[in-house]
Amino acid sequence: EAGVAQSPRYKIIEKRQSVAFWCNPISGHATLYWYQQILGQGPKLLIQFQNNGVVDDSQLPKDRFSAERLKGVDSTLKIQPAKLEDSAVYLCASSSGPANEQFFGPGTRLTVL
Amino acid sequence: GENVEQHPSTLSVQEGDSAVIKCTYSDSASNYFPWYKQELGKRPQLIIDIRSNVGEKKDQRIAVTLNKTAKHFSLHITETQPEDSAVYFCAASGGSNYKLTFGKGTLLTVNP
Repeated sequence: EAGVAQSPRYKIIEKRQSVAFWCNPISGHATLYWYQQILGQGPKLLIQFQNNGVVDDSQLPKDRFSAERLKGVDSTLKIQPAKLEDSAVYLCASSSGPANEQFFGPGTRLTVL
Repeated sequence: GENVEQHPSTLSVQEGDSAVIKCTYSDSASNYFPWYKQELGKRPQLIIDIRSNVGEKKDQRIAVTLNKTAKHFSLHITETQPEDSAVYFCAASGGSNYKLTFGKGTLLTVNP
């Protein structure tokens, strides 16, 4: 089966600019996650969707980050405006259910200058 | 919220030796404990997981043990090979949405 797809793979922007990331989960997976992985650290959950509803967004900086999952399939994560500390790899993952194995995409490496 | 501590942060072993990575968690409600392997520049991949109703699980050279009373779990890799070199992350989850909290990772280097 095809894995989790993400684009772009790399993005370089200047601070205060905006950026958007796209994720296509494994077909049929109802649960979708966005993680932020700062260099040298483990992934940190930003937001979790169950179908097109938000299950957990407690660690999402809502003043600058937003995410949506229209029609319960693809998802986009947006940052506006970006800060230097947003430089990280943004990983999307999906699972068939919240208690099941999560499959990760290749990630988007964001550099904010 | 859940807090996961992972040790050591780096581990260097000789090929053929065993490697052990330990994690502790804070939330007694956590009941799912996966381990992920992440090679440089690659995505994390699940290598083994354990649920709270068992104390040990083994898959070829990899095993995980869980002590719910002490709230710690460990990854054991036997007969290490150079291709085992990577960063390993433990994680814990529980509650109604099974939110995963990751440790900070262990860089394992297997020297030929």
